[in-house]
Amino acid sequence: DVVMTQSPLSLPVTLGQPASISCRSSQSLVYSDGNTYLSWFQQRPGQSPRRLIYKVSNRDSGVPDRFTGSGSGTDFTLKISRVEAEDVAVYYCMQGTHWPFTFGPGTKVDIK
Amino acid sequence: EVQLVESGGGLVKPGGSLRLSCAASGFTFANAWMSWVRQAPGKGLEWAGLIKSKPDGGTTDYAAPVKGRFTISRDDSKNTLYLQLNGLKTEDTAVYYCATGALGLWGRGTLVTVSS
Repeated sequence: DVVMTQSPLSLPVTLGQPASISCRSSQSLVYSDGNTYLSWFQQRPGQSPRRLIYKVSNRDSGVPDRFTGSGSGTDFTLKISRVEAEDVAVYYCMQGTHWPFTFGPGTKVDIK
Repeated sequence: EVQLVESGGGLVKPGGSLRLSCAASGFTFANAWMSWVRQAPGKGLEWAGLIKSKPDGGTTDYAAPVKGRFTISRDDSKNTLYLQLNGLKTEDTAVYYCATGALGLWGRGTLVTVSS
């Protein structure tokens, strides 16, 4: 199975400051169709997960533009340009290229 | 409104069975690949399995921990997805979410507790 790792696992941030989460895969996530199926999810306390980003850098409808996904191959990043209180959550990366699809362990973002 | 609503969770003894349902609305369910994802208490997310739409073959895939014990099915006439859980183990205790194939839409989840 493809192993997804994230760093850091805990990220205390100051409101209004940027935040960055790294996600790495144990093998390339480029699929045979040329797409890279790497997604990012946000799970606020007590809520279901919500997809933020799909295929590395495509923002889902309604996702604020302060969230940006980037990367290629095996190395990916989720950036929050200016953290707001509502961004307190656990963030997961997930690969959908190789079955079984696998998630990273999650990065907990909270306010300093 | 576009939504997914799971039901059927509960307390079951090890070795027991349960059937979860997921009612879909607001989109063309018959054309959607659907997934089940679970989350053990205080833990991360684990993809349990998926089912393709019938136009795409209607086949299923399962993660190793549930393969042979769990079965995903769908009734497109009822816009409903199912997850049959057999041979349950304590480690299957989790909130079970249904989601559209690429996880763009999630339900609220239903809790399955396996305990004697």
